[in-house]
Amino acid sequence: GAVVSQHPSRVICKSGTSVKIECRSLDFQATTMFWYRQFPKQSLMLMATSNEGSKATYEQGVEKDKFLINHASLTLSTLTVTSAHPEDSSFYICSARLDLNEKLFFGSGTQLSVL
Amino acid sequence: GEDVEQSLFLSVREGDSSVINCTYTDSSSTYLYWYKQEPGAGLQLLTYIFSNMDMKQDQRLTVLLNKKDKHLSLRIADTQTGDSAIYFCAERWGGYQKVTFGTGTKLQVIP
Repeated sequence: GAVVSQHPSRVICKSGTSVKIECRSLDFQATTMFWYRQFPKQSLMLMATSNEGSKATYEQGVEKDKFLINHASLTLSTLTVTSAHPEDSSFYICSARLDLNEKLFFGSGTQLSVL
Repeated sequence: GEDVEQSLFLSVREGDSSVINCTYTDSSSTYLYWYKQEPGAGLQLLTYIFSNMDMKQDQRLTVLLNKKDKHLSLRIADTQTGDSAIYFCAERWGGYQKVTFGTGTKLQVIP
């Protein structure tokens, strides 16, 4: 099946620094990728929809300048958490959708801890 | 944790029970989850089960876990049209570091 690689799996950073998370579709081209955030024992919350070559569509309440999304190619989307604060500590996961197909393929997630 | 398989599609009549199946590969799985995705929405956590449990019931939902066969199922009793969605199973493994999702089962409920 299709594979989505997410990196890093875990990152610990100091408050005020920026962190970049990568999401790659390894064997297919993903015109659409999604970024989610999950707090412990809660649902995955959709943060934004990333379309290749265009600006991401952010969900209500998600700060565009805080969570920078870049989808520069059909196989790579990145999420940068800028000026991270402890409240940004969370589990972030991406997914990619094959064009004209409803199936979603997920990365394995990134646990971000901001000290 | 590398491979989580689900059936692609399930169609049931309203009022019947639905059973969605999932198989996983990592014996070190700690938690197993069921998520629901309605059209245009994010993933909603329906329920989860810890790997040392065999069964968990929550209202119309029953989760069965066969750890020996690495098989997880979600039973929805008295299925309603509002249950039509895509259902994802997922396993947490690797010391809580990794999550692997299945590719989803589309449940269609026929009135």
